[in-house]
Amino acid sequence: NAGVTQTPKFQVLKTGQSMTLQCAQDMNHNSMYWYRQDPGMGLRLIYYSASEGTTDKGEVPNGYNVSRLNKREFSLRLESAAPSQTSVYFCASSEGQGIVGNTEAFFGQGTRLTVV
Amino acid sequence: ILNVEQSPQSLHVQEGDSTNFTCSFPSSNFYALHWYRWETAKSPEALFVMTLNGDEKKKGRISATLNTKEGYSYLYIKGSQPEDSATYLCAFKGTSGTYKYIFGTGTRLKVLA
Repeated sequence: NAGVTQTPKFQVLKTGQSMTLQCAQDMNHNSMYWYRQDPGMGLRLIYYSASEGTTDKGEVPNGYNVSRLNKREFSLRLESAAPSQTSVYFCASSEGQGIVGNTEAFFGQGTRLTVV
Repeated sequence: ILNVEQSPQSLHVQEGDSTNFTCSFPSSNFYALHWYRWETAKSPEALFVMTLNGDEKKKGRISATLNTKEGYSYLYIKGSQPEDSATYLCAFKGTSGTYKYIFGTGTRLKVLA
């Protein structure tokens, strides 16, 4: 019963390095999301994908790119990491699609990223 | 900018005490409100999905109410246990701004044995 799987769990990057965070869900969900969580702030949406083949910006998309490779996978890429991107990143998925969907989100275990 | 606020930020209660906390959200253009429970070193897990004004949901000792007209939801825990210690998040979705849930910063609950 895997649910939402994120890799890696931890990562340390140097400023300017690039990396891709991987996320996969096995629940046949339409929608997938990437959030970041910083101290004193709620989960903030970076990018989301309402369905396979579509992606849209969330609240804080600058410095990130995403790819919805297929229905299962949604990756987040940092092209040139900056210290401001030090955060805990969560991938999530939900069954509902777009404005019609009000089903709950299922979250991955998180990736703790430090950029030095 | 939509504002979702939770209060208090944190609280400590004794085992056996009942407690409640609040999620405030915009009262116009309401679509849905979620409550999540987030234990340390784990990922958030959904408790309730609430969509109708006056909704009351219950799961064991935890219950929630919803008032969309005045823009708040209460989460209640009856007879708190140490295993209830967690951060409780609410997430609001309006009818504008498709696909996006706005999360509050959470209420961190610590139940002392």
